[in-house]
Amino acid sequence: DGGITQSPKYLFRKEGQNVTLSCEQNLNHDAMYWYRQDPGQGLRLIYYSQIVNDFQKGDIAEGYSVSREKKESFPLTVTSAQKNPTAFYLCASSIVGSGETQYFGPGTRLLVL
Amino acid sequence: GNSVTQMEGPVTLSEEAFLTINCTYTATGYPSLFWYVQYPGEGLQLLLKATKADDKGSNKGFEATYRKETTSFHLEKGSVQVSDSAVYFCALSDRGSGNTPLVFGKGTRLSVIA
Repeated sequence: DGGITQSPKYLFRKEGQNVTLSCEQNLNHDAMYWYRQDPGQGLRLIYYSQIVNDFQKGDIAEGYSVSREKKESFPLTVTSAQKNPTAFYLCASSIVGSGETQYFGPGTRLLVL
Repeated sequence: GNSVTQMEGPVTLSEEAFLTINCTYTATGYPSLFWYVQYPGEGLQLLLKATKADDKGSNKGFEATYRKETTSFHLEKGSVQVSDSAVYFCALSDRGSGNTPLVFGKGTRLSVIA
């Protein structure tokens, strides 16, 4: 079955630690996205990528980094510079083009110890 | 810039009641409009979409009509079920600006009681 997988489902971060969230898709989509979801805040865009080896900052990129070395994969690193990382992180992918539907993974919940 | 405004929740309804969740948008171009649903602890699932004025998207008894004159895309269902309890997000993608990420509203939580 085609789809988007995210791992782990839950992730715990200690103070000062970098952590990496995985996102993999087998939908053959060129575009991939990372969103952060906080209660009552909706979804906010962190980074997105339309092609391998290229990505753009979203609305809240500070304290995060990404890479896009393969079409199927778009990992997100939450760095120690992100002072309030506790949130639900959602990865999505789509065909490149205007108005295309985005398909979402199941999400990773990040908690700070 | 582009933005989406949806009604504040939570919305609590009895089973078989009629549902309306209001959504209005602001866009610089000519957007596609979407409704997504999120069940507890899960990612978002596409519920329905519409790509041009007067289009009606529909799925699982839900429907929404793209109204360009009122810049609205209200979600409706004639008879809700307990299983419809979830958070609903309205979103747009500006089709006039190349490939752009979706812009989401803040979500509306729906609780349906038996």
